Amino acid sequence: SAVISQKPSRDICQRGTSLTIQCQVDSQVTMMFWYRQQPGQSLTLIATANQGSEATYESGFVIDKFPISRPNLTFSTLTVSNMSPEDSSIYLCSVTRDREGEQFFGPGTRLTVL
Amino acid sequence: AQSVTQPDIHITVSEGASLELRCNYSYGATPYLFWYVQSPGQGLQLLLKYFSGDTLVQGIKGFEAEFKRSQSSFNLRKPSVHWSDAAEYFCAVRAPMEYGNKLVFGAGTILRVKS
Repeated sequence: SAVISQKPSRDICQRGTSLTIQCQVDSQVTMMFWYRQQPGQSLTLIATANQGSEATYESGFVIDKFPISRPNLTFSTLTVSNMSPEDSSIYLCSVTRDREGEQFFGPGTRLTVL
Repeated sequence: AQSVTQPDIHITVSEGASLELRCNYSYGATPYLFWYVQSPGQGLQLLLKYFSGDTLVQGIKGFEAEFKRSQSSFNLRKPSVHWSDAAEYFCAVRAPMEYGNKLVFGAGTILRVKS
């Protein structure tokens, strides 16, 4: 398994501002992912965070809105830029140790944009 | 592309009763299948997974799931529900060997347990 922490756990932000969410894993992992869970909805993959290179974004998500960093094998950040109320969601980090393995999820960051 | 359907948005069962949550997937071959549980304010916890082999899979917390290729289903079951099982349950699918290890989730089923 993997122990994953996310900071902050929740935040309330003003429209037009940006928030950076951190994801820290207790040991090295192969892949890290960022998901969004809008209120009452399922999880949608935003992007795969690649170590040392640009993240791989899913359709509908762009780097200017959701810049991602992954400086090493245990840490990643997701920034939600120029926020609007539609960005109010839970943002979850997940990791996997190998391509065949299960994904482990962090506790999530609950974001409310006013 | 693969997709997942969970036809039941809400299910209410009495404590001690049996439970079955439905999951249907769409994929050209046999995908990897997962069930996750999300308790209020918590992240997702993996209950069980199916990659290949025995089509009846045992998981944690007394859950099991059965893969039925002919029905493209992977239903989750528990013989006797406890009040602590109240949560939201997500079925997910991943294409084997697909680069990126991406999970596609169903819409989720909210389980309520009445005493």
